Amino acid sequence: SQQGEEDPQALSIQEGENATMNCSYKTSINNLQWYRQNSGRGLVHLILIRSNEREKHSGRLRVTLDTSKKSSSLLITASRAADTASYFCATDAGMNTGKLIFGQGTTLQVKP
Amino acid sequence: EAGVAQSPRYKIIEKRQSVAFWCNPISGHATLYWYQQILGQGPKLLIQFQNNGVVDDSQLPKDRFSAERLKGVDSTLKIQPAKLEDSAVYLCASRRPGTGFYEQYFGPGTRLTVT
Repeated sequence: SQQGEEDPQALSIQEGENATMNCSYKTSINNLQWYRQNSGRGLVHLILIRSNEREKHSGRLRVTLDTSKKSSSLLITASRAADTASYFCATDAGMNTGKLIFGQGTTLQVKP
Repeated sequence: EAGVAQSPRYKIIEKRQSVAFWCNPISGHATLYWYQQILGQGPKLLIQFQNNGVVDDSQLPKDRFSAERLKGVDSTLKIQPAKLEDSAVYLCASRRPGTGFYEQYFGPGTRLTVT
């Protein structure tokens, strides 16, 4: 079963704008990860945030985690056409197996 | 380093036929995962191996799906007989050993169409 729900399901913005995607989950986690999927490169890991972290940055990406609300957000700043893809959050419940449960994803379109 | 390899990339079969997918993980990655991704959804874990042992196969439809990783390296996933609802992309992923905070590395996937 899917643990995460992502919002919005689809997002369309102009190049240069910021894009924000949200993820909510149901059970306790060890860490939460964001992945990107496009037809050219498959599913690629973007960033991992541990349960004891509240915010993390990587280049133009900013991820926040609120374990009290069981939610996370991914912000892409100064978006580019190449950011067009589907973005998935995935939760690791921390059973030492590395098992991930993926959300349904947000489809982002960045118009040039 | 070489990524996760999968073959074939595409497969079209008729319902009730059988099909097999192959995966070679990144060298040294002890953990291997098979996922099913139906169009418009996120990947769903089918089975997880640690070396050549099964860690989790709770969501594998065992009446028709089977998987093995005999030598703890490459793996095969088989469907027999296939149903229309098995049409999906089958993704293989691997992860480095240990209990740290590690990401998964995904292969390009096999797109299966069952007609």
